[in-house]
Formats: sequence, structure tokens, C-alpha cells
Amino acid sequence: EVQLLESGGGLVQPGGSLRLSCTVSGFAFSTYTMTWVRQAPGKGLEWVSTFTRGGDTYYADPVKGRFTISRDISKNTLYLQMNTLGAEDTAMYYCAQNFLYGTTWAGGFDMRGQGTMVTVSS
Amino acid sequence: IQLTQSPSSLSASVGDRVTISCRASRSISTYLNWYQQKPGKAPKFLIYAASTLQSGVPSRFSGSGSGTDFTLTISSLQPEDFATYYCQQTYTSPLTFGGGTKVEI
Repeated sequence: EVQLLESGGGLVQPGGSLRLSCTVSGFAFSTYTMTWVRQAPGKGLEWVSTFTRGGDTYYADPVKGRFTISRDISKNTLYLQMNTLGAEDTAMYYCAQNFLYGTTWAGGFDMRGQGTMVTVSS
Repeated sequence: IQLTQSPSSLSASVGDRVTISCRASRSISTYLNWYQQKPGKAPKFLIYAASTLQSGVPSRFSGSGSGTDFTLTISSLQPEDFATYYCQQTYTSPLTFGGGTKVEI
């Protein structure tokens, strides 16, 4: 059974940093593209970043230069290092296993975890 | 690429046929996905490539469209279908979602 377990969220002051983790099981982690998606309270979904199975990384403009996505295959874990956090980063962060199809590098997002909440406030 | 969903919300009854529209600001071929989200839960991946149901998704859900105009249809609304639905394009970066359509009783 595929499982995704997000962790690392919490309350952080503006300008601070946080590292989110997504520990996976039930599939061959190294062969999958993975993604972070977030949702601000009461708002819609927003794509944040993708780490392709080939090792390429992609970022949404609002987080480019501040967030870094990475993975540790030995730990079956996807990370999101978030620096210089602002109030606009307050959101539930979901980890997703990408479902690839056609020629797209991203496909669809299979979000099976409960998410981890990040709150940026003084 | 901007995705505009309509309506933003709708009221329906069990057994109704429900249609949700998603319009892209430019052509995305069929690189369009649909998600269902219930309060306090992670979104559920429903449909990919505009019209292909994910494994386990009931057949009352269907998707159609290509280019810029897409539709999600629920043929006979069930109590468990009351939720918010999002479309998402995977044609090009930045990947984007529609604003959502809340289906209420």
C-alpha cells in the first residue's frame, strides 16, 4: 500500500526557515517524480515544486530562490527546505506521488497523506 | 496558463446531473486533471488526461474536452460527492489549478 507521511510543519517567525519531510512507503521511491502542493487556509490549491525521477527540479515563481526540493533515496524521503518565510507561505503542505502520462514531466498528483501545516507569524 | 472554473459554487440534490467547466487561457491539449477535496482532507486524484478515470473512481464521474475547454460531469450525484472540485493543467510550468467549484446540497 502506498503511504506518504508529511512532517516538519509548525509555527515559524517571518524570515525564518523550516524543512518539511515526506517519508514514503509501498513503492519504488527512486523511480517516481514527486511534488509538493500547498493550500492556504480557506483557499485553493497551489503547486509548489517538483522533483522528477531524473533529478530535475521545478519551482513555482513565488518560492523560486527561497525553497529547495530534494530527496534522500536511502531514507525514502522527499524534502522541502523553506527559507525566508513570509505570511504568504502559511498553508497546509501536501506531498504527492506524480502519475505520469503522455509526454508531460509532471502528470497528475496523487496526494495520499494528511499534509503538514506551516504557519508563519510573529 | 490560467484556469477558470465555473461556477464557483452550485447547489444540487442527490440524483442530479452536475457539470463543472474549466477553461484554459491557451491550449493545453488534453493535459488536464481533476481532483475532489472534502473538508479537512487531502485532494483526491479523480481524472487525468482530461477524460481517463483514475483507478477506483466511480463511473458516474466523467471528463471531456481538449484545447481550452474542459468539463467534469457527475451523472447522478451521490451524498459522498458533495465536495470541492479542482482542475489542474500539467501542460507547462508553472503548473496551475483552477479556483475550485464547491458542490453543495
